[in-house]
Amino acid sequence: ETGVTQTPRHLVMGMTNKKSLKCEQHLGHNAMYWYKQSAKKPLELMFVYNFKEQTENNSVPSRFSPECPNSSHLFLHLHTLQPEDSALYLCASSQDSYSPTDTQYFGPGTRLTVL
Amino acid sequence: AQKITQTQPGMFVQEKEAVTLDCTYDTSDPSYGLFWYKQPSSGEMIFLIYQGSYDQQNATEGRYSLNFQKARKSANLVISASQLGDSAMYFCAMRDRLTGGGNKLTFGTGTQLKVEL
Repeated sequence: ETGVTQTPRHLVMGMTNKKSLKCEQHLGHNAMYWYKQSAKKPLELMFVYNFKEQTENNSVPSRFSPECPNSSHLFLHLHTLQPEDSALYLCASSQDSYSPTDTQYFGPGTRLTVL
Repeated sequence: AQKITQTQPGMFVQEKEAVTLDCTYDTSDPSYGLFWYKQPSSGEMIFLIYQGSYDQQNATEGRYSLNFQKARKSANLVISASQLGDSAMYFCAMRDRLTGGGNKLTFGTGTQLKVEL
């Protein structure tokens, strides 16, 4: 595997379900990100991790819970979601979030539908 | 707050022609970076090109070039010799500093490009 991978690619869940999204990067990067892309809206940053430590939570509701066990893996745990949470969830990684020339590389995304 | 504006919701171009996608930005930070990403219908956000605010020359990557006009605060993407596979959504983004340190990307609303035969 190369680059940034995400599983599952598609997920349909009910409002009472608990599910997790997984992201893995094979680029040797130290920073990882979760973004949400809703229809007709710009991408919104959700969380940032640097060297496994969460450095940004962009006022995300607690029904979204991130986890970063190491620099290569990032999870987004979902529980009691709302239909308006249906969106494309994109994971990204970069070498060093603090570098002025840092470039983020994205995974293919998980398309989530909440019924 | 930093802001990215893409005023073209949709663009059409004939195959083999060049096309320019517009992007303007607003920032008070003297050090910044500008990015272009391509998003096909499959969803993946593909990095295309980067321009740093202190770079003396316009960035180029294969058929992609960035027309960077600092005084006008514009960073337009030029795609030369368009191909059918270029049909996608294109996003302009700016590196934005986080209050806790580090960077994030602020994205524009995107331009949907359709390449026609």
